[in-house]
Amino acid sequence: KQEVTQIPAALSVPEGENLVLNCSFTDSAIYNLQWFRQDPGKGLTSLLLIQSSQREQTSGRLNASLDKSSGRSTLYIAASQPGDSATYLCAVRRDSNYQLIWGAGTKLIIKP
Amino acid sequence: ETGVTQSPTHLIKTRGQQVTLRCSSQSGHNTVSWYQQALGQGPQFIFQYYREEENGRGNFPPRFSGLQFPNYSSELNVNALELDDSALYLCASQKAGSTDTQYFGPGTRLTVL
Repeated sequence: KQEVTQIPAALSVPEGENLVLNCSFTDSAIYNLQWFRQDPGKGLTSLLLIQSSQREQTSGRLNASLDKSSGRSTLYIAASQPGDSATYLCAVRRDSNYQLIWGAGTKLIIKP
Repeated sequence: ETGVTQSPTHLIKTRGQQVTLRCSSQSGHNTVSWYQQALGQGPQFIFQYYREEENGRGNFPPRFSGLQFPNYSSELNVNALELDDSALYLCASQKAGSTDTQYFGPGTRLTVL
């Protein structure tokens, strides 16, 4: 049974710092992995999607990496801003179906 | 904006009642999934509909049921509400056969008293 874990559960850093959020999964047989951002009252927004054959994806100040063999993914945020404050969730998609298995998220607070 | 809307935004029900939550997907997205997200947890997959038929279900009892309509709208129905059903309910739409991301609505916050 696939399990997804995110550590830490919460993180507070000063504005401008670079930071890394971690996601680990127990079954390396994944189809893809996604990072989402969740803001209160606004639902979930997809940030980056990494296919199982890829090692990383980049979008602006965000970079996500994937190491299937070790069951780990990281989300790197460069030059953090107060607007980056949100809960970040990772989710893996199993082979052959569309079900997403989610971590519990990391609540990120960027202090001005 | 994801193009996915949900109604109502908030809902309060009492134990034993029935509830219907609604979702309107993007045009052309004929796959819709429903998730339950308890406070402080990640979403849990309830079920998925494709072309108006259920084609995948998570570990939820039969009192959770759904409908999908030709106009890209869908419903989640929950009978015999229990206190533990209190959660944020999210729907997500996707093009069939696509490995791209799902597009999520803002959710419906259900409170069961």
